[in-house]
Amino acid sequence: KQEVTQIPAALSVPEGENLVLNCSFTDSAIYNLQWFRQDPGKGLTSLLLIQSSQREQTSGRLNASLDKSSGRSTLYIAASQPGDSATYLCAVLGGSQGNLIFGKGTKLSVKP
Amino acid sequence: GAGVSQSPSNKVTEKGKDVELRCDPISGHTALYWYRQSLGQGLEFLIYFQGNSAPDKSGLPSDRFSAERTGGSVSTLTIQRTQQEDSAVYLCASSLGGWHQDTQYFGPGTRLTVL
Repeated sequence: KQEVTQIPAALSVPEGENLVLNCSFTDSAIYNLQWFRQDPGKGLTSLLLIQSSQREQTSGRLNASLDKSSGRSTLYIAASQPGDSATYLCAVLGGSQGNLIFGKGTKLSVKP
Repeated sequence: GAGVSQSPSNKVTEKGKDVELRCDPISGHTALYWYRQSLGQGLEFLIYFQGNSAPDKSGLPSDRFSAERTGGSVSTLTIQRTQQEDSAVYLCASSLGGWHQDTQYFGPGTRLTVL
């Protein structure tokens, strides 16, 4: 059974810092991996999607990497801003029905 | 264009009552997913529709839960005889084709509170 783990569960950093969020998964047979952002009381916003054949994806200040063989992904956020404060969720697509399997998230707080 | 919409945004009900949650996917998306987000439990998958068909309902937590989709569009998740442990945020997502390269787009969710 696929399990997704995110470390750390919470992270507080001062504005301007570069930071890394970690995601690991137990079964390397995935189709893709997605990073989402969730703001309090809101739904999920897709940030980056990495196909299983890819090593990384970039969007603005965000860079996500995927090492499928070792079951790991990282989300790198450059020059963090208070507006980046949210919960970041990692999910792998590997369910038998094309469903996503989620980690429990990393709650990020960026202090001005 | 419009994203995934869900209604109601909040629902408070008494234990034992039935509730219906609605999801309107993005127009043209053939795949639709329901997930549940409980406090401390993370997001769990409930059911998937490709068109109007849900080939596997084993993700539903009990037989009090059912879902349908009509016209390849709107979906309804019904919970009968609600229990307090059903309290959660119910999220709906849709994707273009249901294939593994498609991004899933999420709605804002319905927060269900069972008293």
